[in-house]
Amino acid sequence: QSALTQSASVSGSPGQSITISCTGTSSDVGGYNFVSWYQQHPGKAPTLVIFDVTQRPSGVSDRFSGSKSGNTASLTISGLQTEDEAVYYCCSYTSTSSSSYVFGTGTRVTVL
Amino acid sequence: QVHLVQSGAEVKKPGAPVKVSCKVSGDPLTEVTIHWVRQAPGKGPEWMGGFDPVEGEMIYAQKFKGRVTMTEDTTTDTAYMELRSLTSQDTAIYYCVRSRLTVIVMWGQGTLVTVSS
Repeated sequence: QSALTQSASVSGSPGQSITISCTGTSSDVGGYNFVSWYQQHPGKAPTLVIFDVTQRPSGVSDRFSGSKSGNTASLTISGLQTEDEAVYYCCSYTSTSSSSYVFGTGTRVTVL
Repeated sequence: QVHLVQSGAEVKKPGAPVKVSCKVSGDPLTEVTIHWVRQAPGKGPEWMGGFDPVEGEMIYAQKFKGRVTMTEDTTTDTAYMELRSLTSQDTAIYYCVRSRLTVIVMWGQGTLVTVSS
């Protein structure tokens, strides 16, 4: 299972909106509505910010939203804040050969 | 509230095995599905395997089959991941994670495994 493809970096000014994309195949992103997104600050474990493409866990800001079209999923962060600076990973559930997860390559978000 | 607490950092020689533990608290391990994910320095996470509640057995990523064993001790609510025949390519942070079938909802704090001669 190959890693999902993400752009290496995205930047924005405080208050702006940014969108991160995650491209897979019909065997993962395109085949299931089970895409999740994780935020990882330096030296910390990842934390869940979006699951099932569009759902936010309780406690996660509504500035985070997700969507999907075909084999590409997207995470949008609106009203960018300094604490949003982190690396974001997408992840897709897949059961092509066995139930498993495939992760993205990661996108570093910089707040200018 | 479930918590996952992992064992401490390890330094291993090439060819040696490593065994990482993950203590589950808040709910019994029998009610929590644990998987394992690793993250090499500067890289994205990589799924290694875990318990499949549908099949009722451990499943492993093809890449690790034959070299990894994941077990659970329900008497101590502790999950274990043993990786054998280590090489420098196995240097990474190893995480136990809580799976809710289609999503990983929680990560342990991670265990750094360094493979060096």
